[in-house]
Amino acid sequence: EAGVTQSPTHLIKTRGQQATLRCSPISGHTSVYWYQQALGLGLQFLLWYDEGEERNRGNFPPRFSGRQFPNYSSELNVNALELEDSALYLCASNRQGGDTEAFFGQGTRLTVV
Amino acid sequence: GQSLEQPSEVTAVEGAIVQINCTYQTSGFYGLSWYQQHDGGAPTFLSYNALDGLEETGRFSSFLSRSDSYGYLLLQELQMKDSASYFCAVMAAGNKLTFGGGTRVLVKP
Repeated sequence: EAGVTQSPTHLIKTRGQQATLRCSPISGHTSVYWYQQALGLGLQFLLWYDEGEERNRGNFPPRFSGRQFPNYSSELNVNALELEDSALYLCASNRQGGDTEAFFGQGTRLTVV
Repeated sequence: GQSLEQPSEVTAVEGAIVQINCTYQTSGFYGLSWYQQHDGGAPTFLSYNALDGLEETGRFSSFLSRSDSYGYLLLQELQMKDSASYFCAVMAAGNKLTFGGGTRVLVKP
């Protein structure tokens, strides 16, 4: 069984540009979570999608947005990139909202220069 | 909102026992989870407690007291490979999975 896959693994953008990050959950999982992890820090909750809808959102500006597709894959978009957006972006999935164990992908390392 | 507090760093020697405490504030609490993350890696699930008490899984155990909004992860017979960051996480109302800031465990020979 394939795990959670994220693409790309690394992304370099300049300030002001837009970034799109992608996540494919484990087959059968309908919930996708997005987290931002700045170097050496904890996981900051960004977004939660379940059954195609945004269910919850963390304390991030509106330029962080996303969506979940009918096949439950998900996309995170970051507009008007700022230097402090440089971080590891992690995607996690579980079987349904509230399932106890979340499975993480390896993340996308976004660098804004 | 939700908040979790855990120590930032713990150092111990091989074979020792380490306890990582986690206190949380949240509404609509479902349960407390623990995850391990090695440098450069993805977090991996260790344990989940929904009810009060101790859950044991090999060398690792996790404890929860719902009345005290407190839990801990106990690492026994520490090995070098246990050097990693450990995160507690709450699943609460709204099914938002919120993580603490992480505890970096450094195991020395």
